[in-house]
Amino acid sequence: DADVTQTPRNRITKTGKRIMLECSQTKGHDRMYWYRQDPGLGLRLIYYSFDVKDINKGEISDGYSVSRQAQAKFSLSLESAIPNQTALYFCATSDFGTTDSRFNGYTFGSGTRLTVV
Amino acid sequence: QKEVEQNSGPLSVPEGAIASLNCTYSDRVSQSFFWYRQYSGKSPELIMSIYSNGDKEDGRFTAQLNKASQYVSLLIRDSQPSDSATYLCAVNMGDSNYQLIWGAGTKLIIKP
Repeated sequence: DADVTQTPRNRITKTGKRIMLECSQTKGHDRMYWYRQDPGLGLRLIYYSFDVKDINKGEISDGYSVSRQAQAKFSLSLESAIPNQTALYFCATSDFGTTDSRFNGYTFGSGTRLTVV
Repeated sequence: QKEVEQNSGPLSVPEGAIASLNCTYSDRVSQSFFWYRQYSGKSPELIMSIYSNGDKEDGRFTAQLNKASQYVSLLIRDSQPSDSATYLCAVNMGDSNYQLIWGAGTKLIIKP
């Protein structure tokens, strides 16, 4: 099984619908992230969470909300989907680097391709 | 604003040659540097990390870090068609609490 699992892998939805993307991880990491990726624009951070009680907005949070249900689960919701939210969405996790242990970067899920029509 | 810059490419390299990918970053107090490979429609995959000035080699890949000049590079020796992908540079800025700042990526094409 993958360390970071995203569901669904693909989704087509209609404008105005509410949709939830789910992410679960077995890495034991405290930190989780949601990104979207559009062609030519690279990765853009939507929300991130350092633990269950710590959730923060990223650079493009408008139109999105998140829920950290447990250390291992972090879901992203589009309250009322619009066509310009059509993108590839990635969940990622990381550990917390300290002076005694290296920060090892992020581990990504396989992504959710979302199309809003 | 903290930034990570990469040439978007595409960078075209003949099979068997050395591919050289470059990345510059804006924050002098940066601690950790990463190269990710991303195939089209797939998720980014970590291929190299580097934390100290100098070179770090792993198989056909070499990461080079120069903190004084604020750049990090990735060399791919004996390039193969399977190396064709977009390469993302990511930098942990000094005060960003172990968050990564991402470059937009360089598309690499290895021509047989």
